[in-house]
Amino acid sequence: NAGVTQTPKFQVLKTGQSMTLQCAQDMNHEYMSWYRQDPGMGLRLIHYSVGAGITDQGEVPNGYNVSRSTTEDFPLRLLSAAPSQTSVYFCASSYFSGSYEQYFGPGTRLTVT
Amino acid sequence: AQTVTQSQPEMSVQEAETVTLSCTYDTSESDYYLFWYKQPPSRQMILVIRQEAYKQQNATENRFSVNFQKAAKSFSLKISDSQLGDAAMYFCAYRSGSNYQLIWGAGTKLIIKP
Repeated sequence: NAGVTQTPKFQVLKTGQSMTLQCAQDMNHEYMSWYRQDPGMGLRLIHYSVGAGITDQGEVPNGYNVSRSTTEDFPLRLLSAAPSQTSVYFCASSYFSGSYEQYFGPGTRLTVT
Repeated sequence: AQTVTQSQPEMSVQEAETVTLSCTYDTSESDYYLFWYKQPPSRQMILVIRQEAYKQQNATENRFSVNFQKAAKSFSLKISDSQLGDAAMYFCAYRSGSNYQLIWGAGTKLIIKP
């Protein structure tokens, strides 16, 4: 099992550019989510999905889009990058049953100049 | 809305000693789960320990244990025999039994002194 994988690990964008952060999991988890982590703060939820074709907004969704066409993949799109989106992004997944432990990818450090 | 508070931005402990990290939460629900995650400099988020609210017994995982005080809404993490590899950010997180979203504390940076 590869677990949760994210690409790229690092990315630098110019203001106004768009890009997609990739996330995939091979554990057949129903729930997937994207967080951003900023210094001095915990993780904040951007978007989440409870299954293929179903997505919803989290705490800080503005400027981001998601889609979930398969159980395995959950890409995050930055539509028009802004310096305020400089952050570390984590993808996580979990089952619905049990204690709902979330498994995390290694993160993507994004810098917007 | 649920909130999670970690009041200690930074803690330090001598190697081999014991340290306790604090976490309090606010909720009106009775069914929920609590977690401690560790984030070393590698950035990877690693689950340390979990506690189901319906269980009275405190969870233990090797050198890590929790003190779960449900009435006080407190969930502290005790690390015994601290090791250099324990140096990391530690995050407390809450998850409702009816919702899959995690609510996170701001984190505590743990420094281990050799």
